[in-house]
Amino acid sequence: QSVLTQPPSASGTPGQRVTISCSGSSSNIGSNTVNWYQQLPGTAPKLLIYSNNQRPSGVPDRFSGSKSGTSASLAISGLQSEDEADYYCGAWDDSLNGVVFGGGTKLTVL
Amino acid sequence: EVQLVESGGGLVKPGGSLRLSCAASGFTFTNAWMSWVRQAPGKGLEWVGRIKGKTDGGTTDYAAPVKGRFTISRDDSKNTLYLQMNSLKTDDTAVYYCTTAATMTGGAFDIWGHGTMVTVSS
Repeated sequence: QSVLTQPPSASGTPGQRVTISCSGSSSNIGSNTVNWYQQLPGTAPKLLIYSNNQRPSGVPDRFSGSKSGTSASLAISGLQSEDEADYYCGAWDDSLNGVVFGGGTKLTVL
Repeated sequence: EVQLVESGGGLVKPGGSLRLSCAASGFTFTNAWMSWVRQAPGKGLEWVGRIKGKTDGGTTDYAAPVKGRFTISRDDSKNTLYLQMNSLKTDDTAVYYCTTAATMTGGAFDIWGHGTMVTVSS
């Protein structure tokens, strides 16, 4: 059971906009920033969004993040086949004194 | 080029020990806060623990499932991070990644190694 809650799956067709939610609590998302990671099959995770809504250099602006209270969201617009991957949210947890992750969302591009 | 390369994975019996290494290059390792993250087969990411950089005291923090069994250390002279795993359980079977925030990402993990597989089985 992951500390942060994500839907196990999401899907969309090419060109569509999809969102993935991440729900936490006051000790993690409520008091710390949220990061998002993309993991393509058989590869290491890659940082997609940091500090709630910042994109590292090289990440397309089709990817965006937001946070409100104890929840966060990742939005992907103009969906492409290469976006098919697992997506994880993560944040520091003040009570557990460690990083916590969501269980991951498998995105399928139909 | 910023790079992390893990090694030391393998097959070990329950109750056994294993030490993983992570060789870093391309950034100032001495002050970097380094973490280990693992991923069991078909499962999600799980933070294992971290070690702070030298200027921040080099202290460690661990996730509850590994506290008291795993030890994270570093050799700044060799730019290498270690994970000593003792009293291994079948639940510790996973790919182990070392990771860090090498650039200004607010502590988010922007550099990851390729991972090394640890299998705990009799």
